[in-house]
Amino acid sequence: DQQVKQNSPSLSVQEGRISILNCDYTNSMFDYFLWYKKYPAEGPTFLISISSIKDKNEDGRFTVFLNKSAKHLSLHIVPSQPGDSAVYFCAASGGGGGSNYKLTFGKGTLLTVNP
Amino acid sequence: DAGVIQSPRHEVTEMGQEVTLRCKLISGHNSLFWYRQTMMRGLELLIYFNNNVPIDDSGMPEDRFSAKMPNASFSTLKIQPSEPRDSAVYFCASSLAGHADTQYFGPGTRLTVL
Repeated sequence: DQQVKQNSPSLSVQEGRISILNCDYTNSMFDYFLWYKKYPAEGPTFLISISSIKDKNEDGRFTVFLNKSAKHLSLHIVPSQPGDSAVYFCAASGGGGGSNYKLTFGKGTLLTVNP
Repeated sequence: DAGVIQSPRHEVTEMGQEVTLRCKLISGHNSLFWYRQTMMRGLELLIYFNNNVPIDDSGMPEDRFSAKMPNASFSTLKIQPSEPRDSAVYFCASSLAGHADTQYFGPGTRLTVL
């Protein structure tokens, strides 16, 4: 049973517009959330994170929003650039039992930014 | 600084053969994670080492899989005997003190078992 879900396998946006990637989770013990970005033939790279005590974290063009009551987070990229085209993974940690090292990943969303 | 190094990058083998995947941690890191990525199950944690000691191997599929850290900078993941359902991309990642937000992934090994 998937505890972290990314329901959109793919998303296509125009350069300069906003990209919004969504993620839902079911485990209320998760207390730290991360987004990773993955290019073909490379490993995932850490992009941005948010603690459950916050509802927003911003880093340049990237902003992550957390809605704990809805168990939902989203990644906003503004403005989107062609180089942002990649697979984006949502991940969560802190599922209880001292497992803060353990990342539970969604299956990813392929973002394509068209010039 | 070199990142996490994995070898081989691609491996094609026949069912029943032994497969060994290798990983070199980033210098100074003391935690090591092995992940497997498949279309069906996505990215899954197989095993986690801290200071060369296996802490959590609950994700290891079955006894055919084994992982070791013979020293602080190197790890192997062995599958013996391999089966077609083991075909996947295997990633290792390293970090300092196991903090989830500082896991640095290698480029992965794409394993195909015929």
